[in-house]
Amino acid sequence: GEEVAQTPKHLVRGEGQKAKLYCAPIKGHSYVFWYQQVLKNEFKFLISFQNENVFDETGMPKERFSAKCLPNSPCSLEIQATKLEDSAVYFCASSQSRQSNQPQHFGDGTRLSIL
Amino acid sequence: KQEVTQIPAALSVPEGENLVLNCSFTDSAIYNLQWFRQDPGKGLTSLLLIQSSQREQTSGRLNASLDKSSGRSTLYIAASQPGDSATYLCAVRHHVDTDKLIFGTGTRLQVFP
Repeated sequence: GEEVAQTPKHLVRGEGQKAKLYCAPIKGHSYVFWYQQVLKNEFKFLISFQNENVFDETGMPKERFSAKCLPNSPCSLEIQATKLEDSAVYFCASSQSRQSNQPQHFGDGTRLSIL
Repeated sequence: KQEVTQIPAALSVPEGENLVLNCSFTDSAIYNLQWFRQDPGKGLTSLLLIQSSQREQTSGRLNASLDKSSGRSTLYIAASQPGDSATYLCAVRHHVDTDKLIFGTGTRLQVFP
């Protein structure tokens, strides 16, 4: 598609439950990124993929967070044993390449609320 | 460590004014800089991207400039309209780092009729 599509728009989970978020990048884009927006404007990079391969996972909390981008499937971000502090908006972005003239295009985000 | 700051944090202006939003970064070794707008409850819309070798980019009423050596970028909005009301974010991609964007703190803009 022409836009980065994220589902669901809003996800509510009780503390300790699992949460799984999905992202379909723009068609033809090889790179996918996940960001976490906590509070109003505090963005934190989580992980990036080149096709199905992890490119950079320096921002991922290793214990409970995992992500995948499998061929012919939406990318996913999964959080096990959610905590209150995981409440945030999770954004997915994609880009065509890593060239300096290629912008990252963002989806509308998934708002995760942990109760 | 790269830090990105935006001034002012909030701005309220009447329709028709020309505006300047500021973005500063502490490490000048950037790969590119992107300006975004974020509407409430929505994602980020990419407005302009300036590569490290460029000085400015223009799109319609928007013009973004980059002074890498002084660690600054400005977003100029000409003849502002109520539809320009949103939060504007700048983000830098660090040269020696990965693909991650480091975001500024944002400027919340309100343009009233």
